Amino acid sequence: AQSVAQPEDQVNVAEGNPLTVKCTYSVSGNPYLFWYVQYPNRGLQFLLKYITGDNLVKGSYGFEAEFNKSQTSFHLKKPSALVSDSALYFCAVSPNGFQKLVFGTGTRLLVSP
Amino acid sequence: DGGITQSPKYLFRKEGQNVTLSCEQNLNHDAMYWYRQDPGQGLRLIYYSQIVNDFQKGDIAEGYSVSREKKESFPLTVTSAQKNPTAFYLCASSSTVGGTEAFFGQGTRLTVV
Repeated sequence: AQSVAQPEDQVNVAEGNPLTVKCTYSVSGNPYLFWYVQYPNRGLQFLLKYITGDNLVKGSYGFEAEFNKSQTSFHLKKPSALVSDSALYFCAVSPNGFQKLVFGTGTRLLVSP
Repeated sequence: DGGITQSPKYLFRKEGQNVTLSCEQNLNHDAMYWYRQDPGQGLRLIYYSQIVNDFQKGDIAEGYSVSREKKESFPLTVTSAQKNPTAFYLCASSSTVGGTEAFFGQGTRLTVV
């Protein structure tokens, strides 16, 4: 069965510093990996995805993620955090491109001024 | 203005009552999904549909029902059999082409009173 782990419930970072939100996955076949962001009482917004090709993918709002097949990881990164990046971040996997997404439990990012 | 619309935003239900949550999309997507979000548990799939007049149970379908009579609409009924219905409900839609991202509505917060 496919699964996604986000080992940190919360990540704290100062504004201007780089941030990393971790995600590891377990899936049979080729994984399609996604990152979404959620602001309070709102739906999820798509940030970026990995399907195939270059292991470093770039997405919205300056975020990027690195796919590492040997470590089965897909960590979300940003070189310089903004206070407005504070939100709940979800990693998700879709095995072999089938659209039924499996989500991690989410990581709350807090960026302090 | 394309998108996915959920209504109402807030819903209160008395114990023993059925309630229906609305989800409409004008993105011309074939696939639609219902997720339930609880604190610390991420998103869990309730039902999904890849084509009109067809739908499948997700991981937590007990106590819920859906219909897909139109491509644009995928209403979710929370029945009295659902023992703990208080949660945030999210509807999503996507193309059925592998690797395309899902688009989410703004959510409905259901509270049992």
